[in-house]
Amino acid sequence: EVQLVESGGGLVQPGGSLRLSCGASGFTFSAHWMSWFRQAPGKGLEWVANVNKDGSQRYYVDSVRGRFTISRDDAKYSFYLQMNNLRADDTAVYYCASGSGFLCEYWGRGTLVTVSS
Amino acid sequence: EIVLTQSPDTLSLSPGARATLSCRASQSVASNYLAWYQHKPGQAPRLLVYGASTRATGIPDRFSGSGSGTDFTLTITRLEPEDFAVFYCQQYATSPLTFGGGTKVEIK
Repeated sequence: EVQLVESGGGLVQPGGSLRLSCGASGFTFSAHWMSWFRQAPGKGLEWVANVNKDGSQRYYVDSVRGRFTISRDDAKYSFYLQMNNLRADDTAVYYCASGSGFLCEYWGRGTLVTVSS
Repeated sequence: EIVLTQSPDTLSLSPGARATLSCRASQSVASNYLAWYQHKPGQAPRLLVYGASTRATGIPDRFSGSGSGTDFTLTITRLEPEDFAVFYCQQYATSPLTFGGGTKVEIK
């Protein structure tokens, strides 16, 4: 059974940093693209970033480029989202997902990030 | 950036009814790389359809996707109690990946 489990969410002050992790199991991790999405309170889903199978290509939504970094560790079946210079509008439930190319077939249940003073 | 517009915002239907959800793109979606997801509060989004019309693994055949280019439809025949949720269309043809605003299917 495919499982993706996010961790690392919490309360952080504006300008602060947080690192989200996503642990994967039940599939060949190195054969999949990995992505992060988010859902702000009362809003819809938004794509944040993704990384290709070997980590050589990374894509970001404009609003986080330069502040967030996606990375992966195939040996640990994990990938990460380093979030720096956080703003109030980054407050959201963050979901990790995996799939073939840009299509995300499997998702986690999410972890809440709250940016507030 | 491809903008996706879903309609209606909310659909109030009874179990057993047919639901028709619409998704319109601001420009043609290459290769019809259009997916539909179901999302319930506190749960992981669930992939229903990809490539505009291919059901994902394990998805019941009461869910069907159709359309091409800029106009896409998700149809749910005979709504089951567990089907009530928010549904999103997403294009995965080009970065940035984008979603529609969602259609909430609620029990009437």
